Amino acid sequence: DGGITQSPKYLFRKEGQNVTLSCEQNLNHDAMYWYRQDPGQGLRLIYYSQIVNDFQKGDIAEGYSVSREKKESFPLTVTSAQKNPTAFYLCASSIWSLSPFDTQYFGPGTRLTVL
Amino acid sequence: QKEVEQNSGPLSVPEGAIASLNCTYSDRVSQSFFWYRQYSGKSPELIMSIYSNGDKEDGRFTAQLNKASQYVSLLIRDSQPSDSATYLCAVNYGQNFVFGPGTRLSVLP
Repeated sequence: DGGITQSPKYLFRKEGQNVTLSCEQNLNHDAMYWYRQDPGQGLRLIYYSQIVNDFQKGDIAEGYSVSREKKESFPLTVTSAQKNPTAFYLCASSIWSLSPFDTQYFGPGTRLTVL
Repeated sequence: QKEVEQNSGPLSVPEGAIASLNCTYSDRVSQSFFWYRQYSGKSPELIMSIYSNGDKEDGRFTAQLNKASQYVSLLIRDSQPSDSATYLCAVNYGQNFVFGPGTRLSVLP
């Protein structure tokens, strides 16, 4: 089955801890993205990567970090510097982000709660 | 600032009716437009994409695009309770997507 997987589905973090959210895709897509969704709100872009070993900040990158060491994987670390990390985190991928007709597909999401 | 606007709803329609969801966007350069459906607690699922002015039909769904008015809409015919969800409009601005806040649709049995 081709698709995007995210783990864990639910994650609980104590204040001051760093946590890493996993995102893997086997669609052979070049581009990958991380979004944050808060209740009743739209998606906000955290980071995106168009190619291995390269990534760019989105609109709300502060308190987050990413890596792209493999084409299939784009993990997101939520650091202790992120003051309000409780949210639904969505990973997406697309074939080629520079195309004006590119389409994004989403993984199932990780719900992070700070205790 | 590239923006995508939608009425947040909720939009309530009776079962079997036509649901009409609207979206406006700020940048005339945009070439591709998408509608995603998101059930509560789930991730967005792509249901329609549209690139040219006019209508595009897929089953009970019709997407309509008017680039001159910077307006894209989604019609759902014969609405079913299973269509109750939040519908996100997304615009491809070249390097990034911008998503609207979503419209919550409730189809009443």
